[in-house]
Formats: sequence, structure tokens, C-alpha cells
Amino acid sequence: QKEVEQDPGPLSVPEGAIVSLNCTYSNSAFQYFMWYRQYSRKGPELLMYTYSSGNKEDGRFTAQVDKSSKYISLFIRDSQPSDSATYLCASPRGGNQFYFGTGTSLTVIP
Amino acid sequence: GAGVSQSPSNKVTEKGKDVELRCDPISGHTALYWYRQSLGQGLEFLIYFQGNSAPDKSGLPSDRFSAERTGGSVSTLTIQRTQQEDSAVYLCASRPGGGTDQPQHFGDGTRLSIL
Repeated sequence: QKEVEQDPGPLSVPEGAIVSLNCTYSNSAFQYFMWYRQYSRKGPELLMYTYSSGNKEDGRFTAQVDKSSKYISLFIRDSQPSDSATYLCASPRGGNQFYFGTGTSLTVIP
Repeated sequence: GAGVSQSPSNKVTEKGKDVELRCDPISGHTALYWYRQSLGQGLEFLIYFQGNSAPDKSGLPSDRFSAERTGGSVSTLTIQRTQQEDSAVYLCASRPGGGTDQPQHFGDGTRLSIL
């Protein structure tokens, strides 16, 4: 079992839809969680960074952590074509190694 | 300030040649990582540098791969006797270092194609 698992998609939604992107993790020691957005032919860009359980909101983006079920989610409200990208979840372990999901490809159709 | 800078952005070379990929981290960041990203695959950890400590080389796939970091700043990833399976995007990331609560910041990668 991988440390962080993510549905690769692809996911296609109409503009304005609410998007839900999800990851599961296996190690209960994980405490910090990141979401990265990666546009085609670009490097991953840090989007959201959360600690512990609960929600964190930043504009149209909400990151949610449920430690009891080892489940992390990223919600995008009022999705835009510019949100079309691959989204990666990640968590550090021991301060050095970072574990990444394989990424979910999202397309927002105008 | 400037982000993580990688060069070249693209590299095409023949099988068997050696290649060098460069990473210039964010100023002041003591931690530096190299990853490999293949189509449809996640980020594969290669090597990690933290300050003056010995690097964590546990992710290097073979002895054809090596990396160094001079003066605690710029890093070079070298692949000797390249093979077609080395074709991938090589990403570099840096972070301030120390503590588990410091996320990584990535460069745009070097797209390596082995003919």
C-alpha cells in the first residue's frame, strides 16, 4: 500500500461546478498536508497547506483533513477553466521525506 | 524573490551520453530535493540535501545517477551513460529546512528525452 493514494481521474466538470479532489493516507503519524497544483509543462505550485484536522479556506479553495479516516480533500468552488491542471496531495514524514499522490487531472469545461 | 530555477528546461540527448541538470534553489533555503516525474506517475524521490549534512541518496535508482550541492546552494544532478528509461521530467524543490512544517517549492523542471 502506498503512503498516499489519489484517484488519478481524469475529472471533467462544467465551469461553475464544485470540484472535490480526494486522497487517503496510510500512516497515522502524518500531521501536515499539502495540495499542489501543476499546470502542463510547469512544476508543482503550492496551493494549500494544512495541519491537523478540520478545514482551511483560501478564496475558492477549501482543504479538509479527517484524521479519523485518514482522508484529505480539496474543494474548489465556482470552478474556472483556469483551474484545469493536475492536483497533487502530499505529506511529509520525519521532516525529510515527502510522500506525494500520483495526482488528479482536472479539466473545467467553459 | 526569485523562485527555484532549473536549467536547461529541455534536454535531448543520445543514449549513452552523460547529462548534467542544474538547480538553483530559493536564496536561504537549506533543504534541496530532486525528484523524477514520468508520464502518469507520481513524483519519485531521488535525493535530498540538508545544509552540510550527508545527503540522503536512498532514492537514486542506480549508480549512474549522482548529485552534488556546492556551497550549500546550487545543485547538479548527473546521469551517466543515459538510457531511454531515463526520459522523464526532473524536478528540483527547496524549502527553508528544519522542522516538518515547511512545504517545498518547486522549479519548472528539466524535460529529458533520450533518443
